[in-house]
Formats: sequence, C-alpha cells, structure tokens
Amino acid sequence: SAVISQKPSRDICQRGTSLTIQCQVDSQVTMMFWYRQQPGQSLTLIATANQGSEATYESGFVIDKFPISRPNLTFSTLTVSNMSPEDSSIYLCSVLQERGIGGELFFGEGSRLTVL
Amino acid sequence: GQNIDQPTEMTATEGAIVQINCTYQTSGFNGLFWYQQHAGEAPTFLSYNVLDGLEEKGRFSSFLSRSKGYSYLLLKELQMKDSASYLCAVRDPILTGGGNKLTFGTGTQLKVEL
Repeated sequence: SAVISQKPSRDICQRGTSLTIQCQVDSQVTMMFWYRQQPGQSLTLIATANQGSEATYESGFVIDKFPISRPNLTFSTLTVSNMSPEDSSIYLCSVLQERGIGGELFFGEGSRLTVL
Repeated sequence: GQNIDQPTEMTATEGAIVQINCTYQTSGFNGLFWYQQHAGEAPTFLSYNVLDGLEEKGRFSSFLSRSKGYSYLLLKELQMKDSASYLCAVRDPILTGGGNKLTFGTGTQLKVEL
C-alpha cells in the first residue's frame, strides 16, 4: 500500500494569508487527489492533481483559491489562498492504486488548518 | 451527480453485530467503497464492491445491490476500538471521464458501548 506524507500536519493561520500543503508519496502514482473535510462533515473532493497539466477542479472550487502543483508522479502541493475562517478544515491528499477491477484510495494523515 | 445517504449515528454493544446501511442515487456507478475514520485520523480503506453480493473480510463484510442502489457494512464481534465514523463512497463511472472520483456520504458515527 502507498505511504503518503503530508506537511504541515497542522497550522494556525491568520486571515488573508496563504498556506501551501505538501504531499509526498513513496511510489509513483498516476492519480492524486485533494479532499477537504470541514468540522463534523464528510470528505469533499477539491480537485484531481494532474501531472504535467493543470488540475481538474470540482464544482465550487477554483484555481485562484486552491492552486495545485504536480511536478512529478510522487509529489503534489495544494495552496489555500487568502484564507478566511471558513477555510478551517482538514485537507487530505489521496492517491489511487489500481487493484484488478477496482482500486483502493489511500489517504495521507491530513493537514488541519485553523484560520483566525 | 451522486446522492448518498447514511444514518448519522448508531450505538451498539461490545460483542454484538451491527449493520450500517448506505443508499445511493446516481447517474452512473463504478463501485462502492467503505472507509473507517477514527477521530482526528485519516480514513482507512475497509472494502470495495463493484458486483452484487457479499464480500467478507474477517469481522467486516460489505454487501451491494446495484439494482436497489443499496449497500451495507456488517461488523461482527464488535470491539470498543470499532467506535469510529464509517464512510460510504461511490465511484464515478469510467466512461464519463471521472472514473477515479469518489463521492463520499456524510458518514455514520458508530459508538460501541460495554
């Protein structure tokens, strides 16, 4: 199974600032995703991080607010820009490993952001 | 799009059996996942069903009926450590180009008591 390292694991940020979250995988993976989990909520997909091209964003999420980089098959970053208290969430990096007819989605430990 | 429904919370007794249901209404389907998430931790994979029927893995089993848009997760011989949130997630059909996207339900918070 893939081992995913995220950092920072948690941070307290000031309103209006930006923070970049890094995700490192111990093996090459084709599909990498960024999810958000707001307090008491389930996971919501922000975007698919595509290697060598622009990320694919889900409805309600835009590149200006959540720029994503994917320079190679083992690394990605998510930036939360111009933060407000509503951005306080856990941000999770995930990768898909195909297994036969299906696949398994592995998650990093998450980055817990608190915006004051 | 996908609409996924799960009970918000359930309580069960240590040693007992509990069934957590998940229903979904989708424009397409390419598999259903169950994840376990302990408070403050990342979700961990439990099971994946793409064909109808029951998949068994030790104390955990997962069932799928595609015609009914229904799945359940069955936990046997409950232990205190099984207290967690259980997330049902549906995978988009490959043909739409979103074949690797998962849409998650809101999760069922299971509390195991003595």
